Amino acid sequence: QLQLQESGPKLVKPSETLSLTCSVSGGSISSNSYYWGWVRQPPGKGLEWIGSLYYTGSTFHKPSLRSRVTLSLDKSKNQFSLTLSSVTAADTAVYHCARLNWGSGWYFDSWGQGSLVTVS
Amino acid sequence: EIVMTQSPATLSVSPGEGATLSCRASQSVGRNLAWYQQRPGQAPRLLIYGASIRATGVPPRFSGSGSGTEFTLTISSLQPEDFAVYYCLHYDAWLFPFGPGTKVDVK
Repeated sequence: QLQLQESGPKLVKPSETLSLTCSVSGGSISSNSYYWGWVRQPPGKGLEWIGSLYYTGSTFHKPSLRSRVTLSLDKSKNQFSLTLSSVTAADTAVYHCARLNWGSGWYFDSWGQGSLVTVS
Repeated sequence: EIVMTQSPATLSVSPGEGATLSCRASQSVGRNLAWYQQRPGQAPRLLIYGASIRATGVPPRFSGSGSGTEFTLTISSLQPEDFAVYYCLHYDAWLFPFGPGTKVDVK
């Protein structure tokens, strides 16, 4: 069974860089059948897609975040990562990593539990 | 860029009753729409994809319909565990906008 687990600092100072890693077990990020992605949720608010990447390294991002977001993957560790630069209090959120399936449409079919990152 | 809207924002329902949630796209998205359930403190759970295909393990009381710009999630008889927030998600040109969500609470 696929499992995803986010890890990284829980507290980041304003103007600094947020870094999170998603560790994947029960499946390979090198599979050509799936993409991977990040979704965040500010406290009490809705879901916001941040960006996604493929095992080849190709990435795509929400336009409003593109200049601050870097996505990468480490196939040897079966992990993928998010960095978000120049953070502000508005970036405080629970960050989820997820698998993006593209059969019968596109949808995130497996999710990590999420990691609350506070910018303060 | 396609914008997703959901209505109502909040739906108050008695246990055992049915519920109908709406998701609308600002332009046609075919059948490329998914629905998620999110309970407090939990990750979103995929319910429906391809507008009407139930994900693995999702009870048959959940059904999705629609195409183009109008989509519906129907819950036939609400169980206690169904009181949650529901989001729709669409894919469009390498973008993944979520709808703002509908909260289903106890009447």
